[in-house]
Amino acid sequence: QKEVEQDPGPLSVPEGAIVSLNCTYSNSAFQYFMWYRQYSRKGPELLMYTYSSGNKEDGRFTAQVDKSSKYISLFIRDSQPSDSATYLCATRPLSGGYNKLIFGAGTRLAVHP
Amino acid sequence: DGGITQSPKYLFRKEGQNVTLSCEQNLNHDAMYWYRQDPGQGLRLIYYSQIVNDFQKGDIAEGYSVSREKKESFPLTVTSAQKNPTAFYLCASSIDPDSYGYTFGSGTRLTVV
Repeated sequence: QKEVEQDPGPLSVPEGAIVSLNCTYSNSAFQYFMWYRQYSRKGPELLMYTYSSGNKEDGRFTAQVDKSSKYISLFIRDSQPSDSATYLCATRPLSGGYNKLIFGAGTRLAVHP
Repeated sequence: DGGITQSPKYLFRKEGQNVTLSCEQNLNHDAMYWYRQDPGQGLRLIYYSQIVNDFQKGDIAEGYSVSREKKESFPLTVTSAQKNPTAFYLCASSIDPDSYGYTFGSGTRLTVV
């Protein structure tokens, strides 16, 4: 079983839709949760990060963490064609020296006009 | 502008050849990383370096080698021992090994011909 599972998609939605991207993880030691966005033929860029359970909002993006069910989500409101990219979730244990990031496989999102 | 530069963008390797992928950063980050990205598998850690003159194997180090002689530079050599080297290679850095916010380069696409 992979430590982080993510549906690869592709997910195709019309412009303006609400998008829900999800990951599950298996290790309760994971405490930090991140979402990276990767455009085609580019490197990933950090979109959001969160530590605690609950919601964190940044503009049209909301990151949600439910540690009891080991489930993390990224919601995109009013999706735009420029949101078309691959979204990777990532997680790692609490700090204490080097702890590698564990990445999901990424979900490819296409927002069509 | 601070960032990570990977070169070349595309690289073709003949069977039995060693090739070196360049990664340079001007962010003054201590930690640097090499990842391999294959479709459906997410990012897999090849090597990482927490500080100059020190580096550690990641999850898939076999067939690869690195050096970290300068803070700014972390080249990756793909040796002939790597049986399936065709992939997208990503270099990343973080301000320190404990950081969860990685800055990625734009990647190098390596193809064996």
